[in-house]
Amino acid sequence: KAGVTQTPRYLIKTRGQQVTLSCSPISGHRSVSWYQQTPGQGLQFLFEYFSETQRNKGNFPGRFSGRQFSNSRSEMNVSTLELGDSALYLCASSSQGTPSPTGELFFGEGSRLTVL
Amino acid sequence: AQSVTQLGSHVSVSEGALVLLRCNYSSSVPPYLFWYVQYPNQGLQLLLKYTSAATLVKGINGFEAEFKKSETSFHLTKPSAHMSDAAEYFCAVRRGGGTSYGKLTFGQGTILTVHP
Repeated sequence: KAGVTQTPRYLIKTRGQQVTLSCSPISGHRSVSWYQQTPGQGLQFLFEYFSETQRNKGNFPGRFSGRQFSNSRSEMNVSTLELGDSALYLCASSSQGTPSPTGELFFGEGSRLTVL
Repeated sequence: AQSVTQLGSHVSVSEGALVLLRCNYSSSVPPYLFWYVQYPNQGLQLLLKYTSAATLVKGINGFEAEFKKSETSFHLTKPSAHMSDAAEYFCAVRRGGGTSYGKLTFGQGTILTVHP
């Protein structure tokens, strides 16, 4: 069974540009969450989608947005990039059925964004 | 709001020695607790989780953790360290209740170094 797939794995952008990251969850998983990982702030929750609806959002500016498609694939977009947006962006999927508080999140390997 | 504190950003042990990684949580409701491991340039992998079924939880690769409500702790242990255990370890808490389970609150992480 294929795991969570994130593309691209690495990318370099300049300040002011925008970027779109893609995440394909494990087959059958309907929930996708996004996290930002930086050395200074650690792992921070960005947002969660379930059946194409955003269920939860972290404390990030409106430049960070996401969406989920009918096949559960998800994308996140960051507009007007800043140097501080350099990070590893991790996607996680879960919930083949009804979401559960004990359910495991399965993480992809991440997309490493460098903003110059 | 829930939070997680990992005591010690770096822990160094000799191969064959006991591994003890400390995690304390704060949560206003019964928590669901997780330990994840991250190897360089990879995503997070679940080691074990506490779901209130048992206070002593066994995970993969010989790791276990004990939930102590009175101490609000969920420390991770392994009796005998192996070189392959060198990685970064994250404790995380998920709030019970509600319907959004994609959000985990992570500790700052502990880098485990294993010396031969």
